Amino acid sequence: SQTIHQWPATLVQPVGSPLSLECTVEGTSNPNLYWYRQAAGRGLQLLFYSVGIGQISSEVPQNLSASRPQDRQFILSSKKLLLSDSGFYLCAWITGGGYEQYFGPGTRLTVT
Amino acid sequence: AQSVTQLGSHVSVSEGALVLLRCNYSSSVPPYLFWYVQYPNQGLQLLLKYTTGATLVKGINGFEAEFKKSETSFHLTKPSAHMSDAAEYFCAVSPSSGTYKYIFGTGTRLKVLA
Repeated sequence: SQTIHQWPATLVQPVGSPLSLECTVEGTSNPNLYWYRQAAGRGLQLLFYSVGIGQISSEVPQNLSASRPQDRQFILSSKKLLLSDSGFYLCAWITGGGYEQYFGPGTRLTVT
Repeated sequence: AQSVTQLGSHVSVSEGALVLLRCNYSSSVPPYLFWYVQYPNQGLQLLLKYTTGATLVKGINGFEAEFKKSETSFHLTKPSAHMSDAAEYFCAVSPSSGTYKYIFGTGTRLKVLA
């Protein structure tokens, strides 16, 4: 069966520190992968998506970046966090030939 | 361009009462439509989807939604609310091809009163 993992589950980081969030998918190959951010009281904002290894599309200008070093691995990074980067980060995937997005458990990031 | 509007950021219903969560969309191409549920500090779980065919779609946990093209709506209903239905619900629209980038509504928090 297909599963998606995100880690860490929670993270507290000071302003100006780096960030690395990881998402991995099991049980499928060549998925579309997505990073979303959910700020308190707001909906989901698509940050990045990837249709293949090394292929990243950015949706919103910001100090975040994404990489896809392996087929089923998607990483969200920042060199210097801002207070406004706080939120709930969700990774999602679509299996090849499908159109339903399936979401991971999320990472709660608090920037202090 | 696509967009989604969910009317009512908070909805309260009594246990056993009808649940109606509203979603309107705009899309220049035939859309795919989805409803997701989110429990606190968890990811989103797919409730149901509309792609093509029958406009009344049934999902998990007794929910259903009807695609009405003329009204550009995709409202979510459940005949009888349970306490366990208390959660946040998101409507999403996606193009029917390509990268399937979803546009989400801002969500509706459902409260079920005993």
